[in-house]
Amino acid sequence: DAKTTQPPSMDCAEGRAANLPCNHSTISGNEYVYWYRQIHSQGPQYIIHGLKNNETNEMASLIITEDRKSSTLILPHATLRDTAVYYCIVRAFNSNSGYALNFGKGTSLLVTP
Amino acid sequence: DGGITQSPKYLFRKEGQNVTLSCEQNLNHDAMYWYRQDPGQGLRLIYYSQIVNDFQKGDIAEGYSVSREKKESFPLTVTSAQKNPTAFYLCASSLVTLRTEAFFGQGTRLTVV
Repeated sequence: DAKTTQPPSMDCAEGRAANLPCNHSTISGNEYVYWYRQIHSQGPQYIIHGLKNNETNEMASLIITEDRKSSTLILPHATLRDTAVYYCIVRAFNSNSGYALNFGKGTSLLVTP
Repeated sequence: DGGITQSPKYLFRKEGQNVTLSCEQNLNHDAMYWYRQDPGQGLRLIYYSQIVNDFQKGDIAEGYSVSREKKESFPLTVTSAQKNPTAFYLCASSLVTLRTEAFFGQGTRLTVV
């Protein structure tokens, strides 16, 4: 599976856009970029995913570079409730793990008043 | 409402006892997964199943066992052979495709004393 690199922590002021970067330079053509977040002591929550094109939903936008080696998750107007650990995951089928998501350590986002 | 349910939310056991964690989904998903999370760490895959009556070991299967007798259910047993069973356990389910997201339960926090 392609590895991802995320900054360990970031801060964002409430009401501002939060831009969370992710590097995945070894991604293959059939591998998807998924973003999840986890609020303390809860199960991970799906945010968004994409293959090649930029994607937007009610929670966030996902910008994938043309070469697919990096992506950015954008929370357009961060609120205090967006404080969480954000995981960028490159998802592929693997003979050792099937379709399972392979979690790294993620980025701890702190939204401040 | 469709979803994935883990029970109980908190579980306490004495050292040396086996304990079974429940995971049920009504999403009609073929694939189900068990993860373990330790403080400050990402999720690690214990077992996964892509179809009824079949399951595969993940990265950290030692000391754990599972069954998949029904599509909706994927219970995890933490045996006395697991050396450090105290952790946060998460169950997930998905279709057997990369194109759609996996859904997570809210987790079971197991404490062994």
